[in-house]
Amino acid sequence: EAQVTQNPRYLITVTGKKLTVTCSQNMNHEYMSWYRQDPGLGLRQIYYSMNVEVTDKGDVPEGYKVSRKEKRNFPLILESPSPNQTSLYFCATRTGPEAFFGQGTRLTVV
Amino acid sequence: QKEVEQDPGPLSVPEGAIVSLNCTYSNSAFQYFMWYRQYSRKGPELLMYTYSSGNKEDGRFTAQVDKSSKYISLFIRDSQPSDSATYLCAMGDDKIIFGKGTRLHILP
Repeated sequence: EAQVTQNPRYLITVTGKKLTVTCSQNMNHEYMSWYRQDPGLGLRQIYYSMNVEVTDKGDVPEGYKVSRKEKRNFPLILESPSPNQTSLYFCATRTGPEAFFGQGTRLTVV
Repeated sequence: QKEVEQDPGPLSVPEGAIVSLNCTYSNSAFQYFMWYRQYSRKGPELLMYTYSSGNKEDGRFTAQVDKSSKYISLFIRDSQPSDSATYLCAMGDDKIIFGKGTRLHILP
């Protein structure tokens, strides 16, 4: 089954404590991206990657890092989380116009 | 003017009604147009996409694109309670731009 798998699904953390949200896909897609979804603001792209070792900023990259060392994985790193990064995060792959989303990670930073 | 505009709703309609969801956009360079459905606590999933103006039908769902007016619509016929979800329009080319989503409630 084609899947985009994110972990963890839910996370509560404290300000400043580094965290990583993992994302893995089994569809062999070159394009992967991270979004955050906030009420009233919709889906906003954080970072994207066109291929291994190629990453680029999306619309809201501040406070986030990513890496793409292998095709299937695209982790999202928050080096020093802050309360304004409390959000619902989605990893996605894409082929042409079709995007495939993970189940989401609900992050709360206190 | 924002690139993609979508009424957030909520929109409540009785079961069996025809639902019309709409988006407007400003960038005439957009080449494909999509509708995603997102259930509560789930990721968005692609419903339909089209490259051209006109209608595209898939079961109870019809996507309509009017490039001259920069307006896209999704029609749901014989709406069911299971159609209750947030519907996001999306469009783009190299980059996909999402609307903010319309929350739809189908009342049994």
